[in-house]
Amino acid sequence: AQSVTQPDIHITVSEGASLELRCNYSYGATPYLFWYVQSPGQGLQLLLKYFSGDTLVQGIKGFEAEFKRSQSSFNLRKPSVHWSDAAEYFCAVGAGAGGFKTIFGAGTRLFVKA
Amino acid sequence: DAGVIQSPRHEVTEMGQEVTLRCKLISGHNSLFWYRQTMMRGLELLIYFNNNVPIDDSGMPEDRFSAKMPNASFSTLKIQPSEPRDSAVYFCASSLGAQETQYFGPGTRLLVL
Repeated sequence: AQSVTQPDIHITVSEGASLELRCNYSYGATPYLFWYVQSPGQGLQLLLKYFSGDTLVQGIKGFEAEFKRSQSSFNLRKPSVHWSDAAEYFCAVGAGAGGFKTIFGAGTRLFVKA
Repeated sequence: DAGVIQSPRHEVTEMGQEVTLRCKLISGHNSLFWYRQTMMRGLELLIYFNNNVPIDDSGMPEDRFSAKMPNASFSTLKIQPSEPRDSAVYFCASSLGAQETQYFGPGTRLLVL
């Protein structure tokens, strides 16, 4: 069965420091992979997605993610975190025909300290 | 564009009452997704429509839940009768197609007493 694991429930990073959020997936075929961000009381916003091609994907707000098939991972990175990045981050895999059935991880809440 | 619009933003009701959540898609989008978010279960896809047709409703919890798209730009999610365990935030999202970026609405926070 398809699944997404985000091993870190929450992470605290100092402003200006680098960030890496981990994501592992389980899916039999080539996955469609996504990272979303959710600010408190808001809906989700897509940061980036991977369907095929270059395994290093650039997204909005300075985020990037790297697809590593051998490790079944799709980790999210940012070289320098800003206080406004504090939010909850969700990794997701698109399953089903056409990848429409999005399965979300449990989320990682990012705290940014001054 | 105003984005995906959901109403109401908050709903408090008593067990046994009917609840109707509404969603207006972004103009031109043809795919519609309903999600439920709870602390215990995280984000779950309830149902997916493409061109007004339900494609996959395997995530709908039980017969108390029903969803419709009476036209290309509008959808409703109905819970009848509602139960306390239905308390959650319900999101709808729309996209240009199954593989395209999903744009989420702000959600409806439902509390069933």
